Amino acid sequence: DTEVTQTPKHLVMGMTNKKSLKCEQHMGHRAMYWYKQKAKKPPELMFVYSYEKLSINESVPSRFSPECPNSSLLNLHLHALQPEDSALYLCASSQDRGRLVVQALHFGNGTRLTVT
Amino acid sequence: GEDVEQSLFLSVREGDSSVINCTYTDSSSTYLYWYKQEPGAGLQLLTYIFSNMDMKQDQRLTVLLNKKDKHLSLRIADTQTGDSAIYFCAEKVAGNTPLVFGKGTRLSVIA
Repeated sequence: DTEVTQTPKHLVMGMTNKKSLKCEQHMGHRAMYWYKQKAKKPPELMFVYSYEKLSINESVPSRFSPECPNSSLLNLHLHALQPEDSALYLCASSQDRGRLVVQALHFGNGTRLTVT
Repeated sequence: GEDVEQSLFLSVREGDSSVINCTYTDSSSTYLYWYKQEPGAGLQLLTYIFSNMDMKQDQRLTVLLNKKDKHLSLRIADTQTGDSAIYFCAEKVAGNTPLVFGKGTRLSVIA
């Protein structure tokens, strides 16, 4: 069982819908991440939050909007997505992003998103 | 620049050892990681090695690091069908840059 919980497990949405992906961890980690993974590819980093502040945005289109309400929660708000945005969206956390700390990522099992 | 390379496929018989290889380019790597991804799941951290070490053993897993050649390997002893998965090598370089993942090696274990 993973210590990072993501909901929902599966999501089908139309291109005009607004939906949100949720992620929760209770390991006391202070860095949280969103990754996008297409089939047979490695995860691609989208966003990084460090101490609840957005520290990295990897040039992600504005139809993806992250939010970190507190140190345990991370959301990804979705609006006006395209079919090519269909993918597995993975949340991860790590202890923090300091240089001297092992940056081991703990992943959730992901949300399988299909955009129709 | 940062680049992590892995072979895409490996097939072994149950009970044999598996060796998954990875090469990286950035000599300022601090930590190197191995993640496992089973179908329909997220990535699971298997093990990691600090760049000043050359070997780390954890039960059936042995990680070897050749820093001179920038080569990392993961050996799985007595491979089982439950080890069938995609294995990602990942590199952490100095500073606040994120992990760089390889493309993943799909390990198939034949009973």
